[in-house]
Amino acid sequence: GENVEQHPSTLSVQEGDSAVIKCTYSDSASNYFPWYKQELGKRPQLIIDIRSNVGEKKDQRIAVTLNKTAKHFSLHITETQPEDSAVYFCAATRPSNTDKLIFGTGTRLQVFP
Amino acid sequence: GAVVSQHPSRVICKSGTSVKIECRSLDFQATTMFWYRQFPKQSLMLMATSNEGSKATYEQGVEKDKFLINHASLTLSTLTVTSAHPEDSSFYICSAGRGGYEQYFGPGTRLTVT
Repeated sequence: GENVEQHPSTLSVQEGDSAVIKCTYSDSASNYFPWYKQELGKRPQLIIDIRSNVGEKKDQRIAVTLNKTAKHFSLHITETQPEDSAVYFCAATRPSNTDKLIFGTGTRLQVFP
Repeated sequence: GAVVSQHPSRVICKSGTSVKIECRSLDFQATTMFWYRQFPKQSLMLMATSNEGSKATYEQGVEKDKFLINHASLTLSTLTVTSAHPEDSSFYICSAGRGGYEQYFGPGTRLTVT
């Protein structure tokens, strides 16, 4: 089955710096890769996603890149702000009747003012 | 649009009792609902997938007789934790899909078993 690895587990940056989180997946049939932000005790919130027919997608300060050959995808946050501090999860899914998501292990991002 | 609610948000129960958690899609019909468990500082682990009117599909290692899932309608799925034990204390989150890739998450239920 699918396995998703995520690095780093923790990331501390200064406000204004960029943050990059990387994920690798094992199932070459996976074709949808969302990223979620989760604050303590809250639900995961979708912040950006990418499909396998696209190599890069950007939404203001957030971007995601996908390398299908290498089976990895990355989240890039530029001009970080303290309110970006949270746990970020990547996920992957393959086309199937269930469309179930397999989550990465999470990255705790701390942005210091 | 695509709002999912969960009830209760927090519940404390005694060891050996059963607890029911509800997950509702408020403004859409959910073809599939998913139940996750999240322990502190860990990732979301999928427990089971349910489709309306059919039996749930459980992930490996999840006891179907302990975690009863009912998906009686296109807007409601319930998870019942039977004979709860302290090790079942966790954050339970549901999500709902409506046919596409995206899943819409509920706010979660914090279960504490004493």
